[in-house]
Amino acid sequence: QSALTQPPSASGSPGQSVTISCTGTSSDVGGYNYVSWYQQHPGKAPKVMIYEVTKRPSGVPDRFSGSKSGNTASLTVSGLQAEDEADYYCCSYAGNNLLFGGGTKLTVL
Amino acid sequence: EVHLVESGGGLVKPGGSLRLSCAASGFTFSNAWMSWVRQAPGKGLEWVGRINTNTYGGTTDYAAPVKGRFTISRDDSKNTLDLRMNSLKTEDTAVYYCTTYSITVAGGFDYWGQGTLVTVSS
Repeated sequence: QSALTQPPSASGSPGQSVTISCTGTSSDVGGYNYVSWYQQHPGKAPKVMIYEVTKRPSGVPDRFSGSKSGNTASLTVSGLQAEDEADYYCCSYAGNNLLFGGGTKLTVL
Repeated sequence: EVHLVESGGGLVKPGGSLRLSCAASGFTFSNAWMSWVRQAPGKGLEWVGRINTNTYGGTTDYAAPVKGRFTISRDDSKNTLDLRMNSLKTEDTAVYYCTTYSITVAGGFDYWGQGTLVTVSS
């Protein structure tokens, strides 16, 4: 199975909102509500920001939200802050397999 | 506090073997599904495989690129997770992360180690 498709880059100014898409197929994103999103700062391990499409783990700011429509999931970061600048990866359950997106570099202008 | 500490990374020649280990603490390891995720230099994340609990038979799943070459195992008496890698290829060069799977975040990777670098080169 191929990796999920994400835009390579996204950007926004402080205070603005940015949405990152993650497109798969009916065998992964569209078939299950197990989409998660990870934030990774340079040289650091990834951190889960969203799971089960829309849920936030304890400690993740409510500026981060997730959604899904058909085979495409989305991560929205509202009220952008400088510390949100990082790489973001989506991940979907796909049966006995887990697929990551190629990653999106979010730049805060 | 959950801690995952990987070890065993290093330089290995193509066709060679290597074993990575992950020491876990801060949670009930025997009840946790565990996974390995890797990241090639300058590239994105790639799921390697996972192992469920011995209650569920300790069964494993692997990504297609490593199936038949990599083996994940666990020792609940020592709270350790292993990744045995055989027939290594240059494209296996990556930082390998040990992660928990679905402890608190269903269908996701809750906690991550700091990673260990594996370099496959002649």
